[in-house]
Amino acid sequence: QKEVEQDPGPLSVPEGAIVSLNCTYSNSAFQYFMWYRQYSRKGPELLMYTYSSGNKEDGRFTAQVDKSSKYISLFIRDSQPSDSATYLCAMEYGKLTFGQGTILTVHP
Amino acid sequence: NAGVTQTPKFRVLKTGQSMTLLCAQDMNHEYMYWYRQDPGMGLRLIHYSVGEGTTAKGEVPDGYNVSRLKKQNFLLGLESAAPSQTSVYFCASSYSGAGNQPQHFGDGTRLSIL
Repeated sequence: QKEVEQDPGPLSVPEGAIVSLNCTYSNSAFQYFMWYRQYSRKGPELLMYTYSSGNKEDGRFTAQVDKSSKYISLFIRDSQPSDSATYLCAMEYGKLTFGQGTILTVHP
Repeated sequence: NAGVTQTPKFRVLKTGQSMTLLCAQDMNHEYMYWYRQDPGMGLRLIHYSVGEGTTAKGEVPDGYNVSRLKKQNFLLGLESAAPSQTSVYFCASSYSGAGNQPQHFGDGTRLSIL
């Protein structure tokens, strides 16, 4: 069993839709939870990080962590074609462990 | 701002050949990392460095060597390339190893081993 599981998709939604991306994990020692966005043929870039259970909002993006269920989510409101990318969850305890990434396409 | 620069961007090798991938960062970061990204596998850590002159093994170190002779550079070497090493290689750097310090990635080196 992988320490971090992420549905690879692909996920295709119309512009303006609410997108939900999810990861589950097995290691309860993870302390920081992150979402990276990776455009085609580019390196990942940090989108958001959270430390504790609960929600963190940044513009159209909301990161949610539920440590009791070992589950994290990223919500994208009013999705735009420019949001089309691969989204990677990552968790930290001494080192980063990444999920497999979810490919998202937002079509006009 | 250059950030993290990787060279080369693309390379095709024959089995058994050797090569070195170069990573350079201009952010004065202490920590540097090499990952490989394969379909369905996410990013896996190969080796990392916590400062000039130091290196350590990551999750998948076999077949690779690294050196950090200068703080701004981190080299990844393949001594005898194998088809299983066909992948996209990413270098990253961070100010420290603390969980709230983001890793900054380069745009990758696409390596094919025939």
